[in-house]
Amino acid sequence: GAVVSQHPSWVICKSGTSVKIECRSLDFQATTMFWYRQFPKQSLMLMATSNEGSKATYEQGVEKDKFLINHASLTLSTLTVTSAHPEDSSFYICSASGGWEQYFGPGTRLTVT
Amino acid sequence: KNQVEQSPQSLIILEGKNCTLQCNYTVSPFSNLRWYKQDTGRGPVSLTIMTFSENTKSNGRYTATLDADTKQSSLHITASQLSDSASYICVVSANFGNEKLTFGTGTRLTIIP
Repeated sequence: GAVVSQHPSWVICKSGTSVKIECRSLDFQATTMFWYRQFPKQSLMLMATSNEGSKATYEQGVEKDKFLINHASLTLSTLTVTSAHPEDSSFYICSASGGWEQYFGPGTRLTVT
Repeated sequence: KNQVEQSPQSLIILEGKNCTLQCNYTVSPFSNLRWYKQDTGRGPVSLTIMTFSENTKSNGRYTATLDADTKQSSLHITASQLSDSASYICVVSANFGNEKLTFGTGTRLTIIP
């Protein structure tokens, strides 16, 4: 089956710094990648949708200047959390789609101190 | 508004027993319904995907049913194992292609020995 990886799996950063999370489709070309965040005991919430080579589409309420998304190739998308604050601490999950099905990555746990 | 509701919110059963999780949705126009298993701190893993023409689909000890008329789905787990302890998420898609998914809040299943 299709495999999606994320790196890092967990990261701790200080308030005010930026952190980058990578999402890779390992065995297929992903024309679209999605970024989600998940708070404890809650379901996944879509943050943005990105298509290779074009700007990401952000969901209402998600600050595009704070959560920078780059989908530079058909196998890689990155999410950069800029000027992170403790309230940005969450579980970030990406998914990749080469057709109609989405395949999810293992997630990245971000803790901002 | 597209919504997916799951019940129960949490469930505890003895190892070896069967259980059934429920999902009701109001997503329209309906394209497909998916059940995912999400272990704590991990990304969702697909169990089954059903289109409107499919009434049931099995994946090992997991059997999903779909009633597109009543907009209900269930996930039946047979002979539960300790490793089945996880959150089970019902997700409904409204379009083919790179569509947005509507996520249920999940059922937290705990298997006790």
